[in-house]
Amino acid sequence: DAGITQSPRYKITETGRQVTLMCHQTWSHSYMFWYRQDLGHGLRLIYYSAAADITDKGEVPDGYVVSRSKTENFPLTLESATRSQTSVYFCASSGARDSPYGYTFGSGTRLTVV
Amino acid sequence: EDKVVQSPLSLVVHEGDTVTLNCSYEVTNFRSLLWYKQEKKAPTFLFMLTSSGIEKKSGRLSSILDKKELFSILNITATQTGDSAIYLCAVATGTASKLTFGTGTRLQVTL
Repeated sequence: DAGITQSPRYKITETGRQVTLMCHQTWSHSYMFWYRQDLGHGLRLIYYSAAADITDKGEVPDGYVVSRSKTENFPLTLESATRSQTSVYFCASSGARDSPYGYTFGSGTRLTVV
Repeated sequence: EDKVVQSPLSLVVHEGDTVTLNCSYEVTNFRSLLWYKQEKKAPTFLFMLTSSGIEKKSGRLSSILDKKELFSILNITATQTGDSAIYLCAVATGTASKLTFGTGTRLQVTL
């Protein structure tokens, strides 16, 4: 399927476990981003990537790791999940730095840490 | 620290009303301001604004940016129940145009 897809859609995990959220886009977009959305905070940037093998921290990177070995994939790993990481996670991509089409978001992963 | 503030936080209107949503910002290395609509799932793109005073329009929605006063407004005329959503304002900054979002305005349109 064309577009940007996230998996899984829903995930429940236990405190202390490692969990990886997947993001895949089919447009060969250079820029990819991970956001988390929480009530009262809106969308906050976790990590972003301008190209394969180039990643950088956003506003709330602690407890997360990313990699981007291929342009189309941008997985987000929670190394040791905590309850404060319960959230909805959105991946987004953009073909250009100032694309007139903005970012395109995936459908999100709802993660619950128990 | 980059900051984007939206007002009001929530709004209830009757179908057919006109609404104005506000977004102010304090950021470094401004590139553009974007508006998104979020219903139950992912935010969907509405507008990107880069220049002051130039109105962007799409049907009943329009938006304008004031880079001197650091704000933008989103207008929705003749509102419909399908306009009920959270409207998000975001500012793109820096070399990667990463977005900083406001917390959103929740709009509810009633019959």
